[in-house]
Amino acid sequence: DAGVIQSPRHEVTEMGQEVTLRCKPISGHNSLFWYRQTMMRGLELLIYFNNNVPIDDSGMPEDRFSAKMPNASFSTLKIQPSEPRDSAVYFCASSFWTRNTIYFGEGSWLTVV
Amino acid sequence: QQQVKQSPQSLIVQKGGISIINCAYENTAFDYFPWYQQFPGKGPALLIAIRPDVSEKKEGRFTISFNKSAKQFSLHIMDSQPGDSATYFCAASANTGNQFYFGTGTSLTVIP
Repeated sequence: DAGVIQSPRHEVTEMGQEVTLRCKPISGHNSLFWYRQTMMRGLELLIYFNNNVPIDDSGMPEDRFSAKMPNASFSTLKIQPSEPRDSAVYFCASSFWTRNTIYFGEGSWLTVV
Repeated sequence: QQQVKQSPQSLIVQKGGISIINCAYENTAFDYFPWYQQFPGKGPALLIAIRPDVSEKKEGRFTISFNKSAKQFSLHIMDSQPGDSATYFCAASANTGNQFYFGTGTSLTVIP
């Protein structure tokens, strides 16, 4: 059974460029989360969706960040324009309802130079 | 503000020793406390979890101890093995909320 699939696994981009991270949740899961992991701040929840609807985006750091979930099997996290301080590992995770075990993807390693 | 405070940041243990990681919280509405294990280059994965109606939960070499009055919980890894070397995150969630709050993580190294 496939887990949460993220792409790209690694991305290096120049400051000012647009970055789009993609996520395919586990089939049947109806909650999807985007987390950011850094050494300084650990795991931070950016936004989560229930049944494709954004529920809480209070963790999105700035207007440069946006996330969409057009259907149950796909979500994107976009950063435009990107900045060096956005360099981090971005994890997508999914669960069957928000209070159940959440399953993480392997992450997208973003470096903005 | 960190909802769940985790310590230590890093831990080095000899093979066969006991690894202990501690977490504390303030929000009394929290009622589910999972621990996640993360290996390098991978996403975190659920290791073990506890609810506050019990003071301890054990699964193999891994035990969660929970102190509701002190609002603290800890992960104990008995007979630690080099394969346990990973980053461990505690987390908490509330029935009234819809998200997990993670600690800052503990990097565990078990030396042979």
